[in-house]
Amino acid sequence: GQQLNQSPQSMFIQEGEDVSMNCTSSSIFNTWLWYKQEPGEGPVLLIALYKAGELTSNGRLTAQFGITRKDSFLNISASIPSDVGIYFCAGRITSGSRLTFGEGTQLTVNP
Amino acid sequence: NAGVTQTPKFQVLKTGQSMTLQCAQDMNHEYMSWYRQDPGMGLRLIHYSVGAGITDQGEVPNGYNVSRSTTEDFPLRLLSAAPSQTSVYFCASSFPGAGVQFFGPGTRLTVL
Repeated sequence: GQQLNQSPQSMFIQEGEDVSMNCTSSSIFNTWLWYKQEPGEGPVLLIALYKAGELTSNGRLTAQFGITRKDSFLNISASIPSDVGIYFCAGRITSGSRLTFGEGTQLTVNP
Repeated sequence: NAGVTQTPKFQVLKTGQSMTLQCAQDMNHEYMSWYRQDPGMGLRLIHYSVGAGITDQGEVPNGYNVSRSTTEDFPLRLLSAAPSQTSVYFCASSFPGAGVQFFGPGTRLTVL
């Protein structure tokens, strides 16, 4: 099946720091999604990207759809303790609904 | 709207037992899917459905059955539970071709 490589696997940062994570694929995707999962909950959509080169923000979060269509990036600025969770990227390769997920980035924010 | 609901929240089974994980959505989404989440492996697709009466296998279908008799419900059946099926199971739904999927709260399953 399709492979999405997400990095880093985990991050331990101080409150106020900026965070960057990314996903890469050997295949071209036509949609990139970023989800956040908090303990005991299901993933919740943060940002959806539909065009190569697209840069979209949601508050302190900014995500980009890579020009090659094989990667995507998520940045979190001025992190706060409630940013703690697992962040997943997901890609869609066709016009259908099936998604492929990255392994996740576990973010820990120290106050 | 309740969104995507899953029951039970937690379940413990013995090896060889069978059970059904329930999933329902009230958003009139045609596409529904089941994932399992294991540490360090992200979300892996088990089965999916593009509409009532239509189901297909995902990445890790072995040991699981599904059916889709209505648009709202998409149950996942474990016919003979194995310890390797210990995992957290998520159901998700979306409009077809929309890309964005909405997830339920998950069922944490332990097979002893």
